[in-house]
Amino acid sequence: DIQMTQSPSSLSASVGDRVTITCRASQSIRSYLNWYQQKPGKAPKLLIYKASTLQSDVPSRFSGSGSGTDFTLTISSVQPEDFATYYCQKSDDTPRTFGQGTKVEIK
Amino acid sequence: EVQLVQSGAEVKKPGESLKISCEASGYSFISYWIGWVRQVPGKGLEWMGIIYPGNSDTRYSPSFQGQVTMSVDKSIDTAYLQWSSLKASDTAMYYCARQGQLAGPPIDYWGQGTLVTVSS
Repeated sequence: DIQMTQSPSSLSASVGDRVTITCRASQSIRSYLNWYQQKPGKAPKLLIYKASTLQSDVPSRFSGSGSGTDFTLTISSVQPEDFATYYCQKSDDTPRTFGQGTKVEIK
Repeated sequence: EVQLVQSGAEVKKPGESLKISCEASGYSFISYWIGWVRQVPGKGLEWMGIIYPGNSDTRYSPSFQGQVTMSVDKSIDTAYLQWSSLKASDTAMYYCARQGQLAGPPIDYWGQGTLVTVSS
């Protein structure tokens, strides 16, 4: 099975910082990579699908890029409501493995 | 409005059986896959498997194959996740989630989660 590895596992940022999270697949998954945001006590929320398509109602400060095995989620100017845990997930085939998550904390 | 409403929290003893539910509304239940995701307290998301209500085609993650059973009742637009013999390590939050196809589209709607606690 294809493994998904996110880095870093956590990061600290100040409001207004640019934040970048990476996700690497152990084999090519073409562009079938999704990003979710999860806040404590809540279900995850879809941010980006097919590597770079922004889900409706998601602020444009979020963007995604990549294809094949290497992907990036960028928050151009992190806001207080963005402090959360972010997960990538492959959707090229089953199993639809998640990355281990990246916790974005306030510096 | 699409909604996935899950059954309430459960407290069980090791060895007991359990069936939790996920009731769908606001869309054609038989036309979308329903997946299940586990989250152990303080840990990440784990994809358990997926079922297509239209024909009950089911795919399990190798990590969960044989450990759980997924099923649906089309007559009441409800998906189920069940255990025949719970272990303490099954303690987790379980989410149901909708996706449009087996491969490709992302999970677009999530249930609110069912917390399962297994303790003697």
